[in-house]
Amino acid sequence: AQSVTQLDSQVPVFEEAPVELRCNYSSSVSVYLFWYVQYPNQGLQLLLKYLSGSTLVKGINGFEAEFNKSQTSFHLRKPSVHISDTAEYFCAVSRNSGGSNYKLTFGKGTLLTVNP
Amino acid sequence: DAGVIQSPRHEVTEMGQEVTLRCKPISGHDYLFWYRQTMMRGLELLIYFNNNVPIDDSGMPEDRFSAKMPNASFSTLKIQPSEPRDSAVYFCASSFLGAGAYEQYFGPGTRLTVT
Repeated sequence: AQSVTQLDSQVPVFEEAPVELRCNYSSSVSVYLFWYVQYPNQGLQLLLKYLSGSTLVKGINGFEAEFNKSQTSFHLRKPSVHISDTAEYFCAVSRNSGGSNYKLTFGKGTLLTVNP
Repeated sequence: DAGVIQSPRHEVTEMGQEVTLRCKPISGHDYLFWYRQTMMRGLELLIYFNNNVPIDDSGMPEDRFSAKMPNASFSTLKIQPSEPRDSAVYFCASSFLGAGAYEQYFGPGTRLTVT
């Protein structure tokens, strides 16, 4: 089974500051990794995904994440945040072999609050 | 495309009543997922379907919960009888194999309150 740990439940930052949201995973098999964003009263939207290839993945809205297999991490970064980035961010993992490939296991989420 | 459509958006019911949540996936998608989100437990996968067939229902909490997908454009999640601990936001998501089935498109959710 897979598990995901998001180390920070809340991250407050000022507008235009850089931000890193941390995600670590545990799995006995190879995995695919994802970051989703949830704006207030909305469903989740995919920010970016790592399936294979380059370990640095770029997503929408200027976000990027780096897959580090040795550290079992997939931290999300943005060099300069905007007020509109205020949302909850979820890291998720699925196995990339065998059955049930399409089950996503989510972390508990990190609430990013961008202050003026 | 209209995206994944869920109804109702909000549901308030009394304990013991039957609740039915509805989902229309994106046209052409062949996977459909039901999730539950609570503060305590976060996002949990309840069940998912492929081509209208339930593949994994190991996340369904108990026999009071049931889900059906009678055709490619409609699914229901039913709770009978409902209990206060079922209060949560229920999300439906869909995806299709052509995209690797890894990108799941979520609906806006149904906020269920059981009093």
